[in-house]
Amino acid sequence: DTGVSQDPRHKITKRGQNVTFRCDPISEHNRLYWYRQTLGQGPEFLTYFQNEAQLEKSRLLSDRFSAERPKGSFSTLEIQRTEQGDSAMYLCASSLEHEQFFGPGTRLTVL
Amino acid sequence: EDQVTQSPEALRLQEGESSSLNCSYTVSGLRGLFWYRQDPGKGPEFLFTLYSAGEEKEKERLKATLTKKESFLHITAPKPEDSATYLCAVQAQNSGYALNFGKGTSLLVTP
Repeated sequence: DTGVSQDPRHKITKRGQNVTFRCDPISEHNRLYWYRQTLGQGPEFLTYFQNEAQLEKSRLLSDRFSAERPKGSFSTLEIQRTEQGDSAMYLCASSLEHEQFFGPGTRLTVL
Repeated sequence: EDQVTQSPEALRLQEGESSSLNCSYTVSGLRGLFWYRQDPGKGPEFLFTLYSAGEEKEKERLKATLTKKESFLHITAPKPEDSATYLCAVQAQNSGYALNFGKGTSLLVTP
């Protein structure tokens, strides 16, 4: 399968714990994006990378969130001191041109 | 501020009953308008990109059109397997490559 992959697919954590998600983009894509989606809403942009450089961050990305893309390949999204409001689907996408291709998402539940 | 509004929120069709979904947008310089399909618990699946007013794209039973203020996704003779949420997103010329999504239209096609 040559699509975008994300790991884990589901994560249940307790409030206050840290979590980290991984995204592997389509291999030739140089741009990688993170979005968050809650029930009944469209995805909301969080941040994006061109190669290893993080070029844009949404105001939704509080200081508890950090993303990295070392060497311009896979990316990680870490949430520190999770809150119940962080419960959502976290989606990763990648692109070479304008069209963004999404992975299956990581469903986070914060108890 | 860029805005994307999709209507209706939900639509129920009989198999074979054609209809259209609407996406109204305001954006300061459109780079592209995107349509995605999303099945429950999965990531969005790319359908179409439209770049300029008057442009049309087709794929099987779906046809997307674009004007300066809105886009339509026409579904001709739908089948039950077309049931999904259809998401519209805009990419503005001055917002990097972030996609701004609407809330989606939930389509149910009954046999």
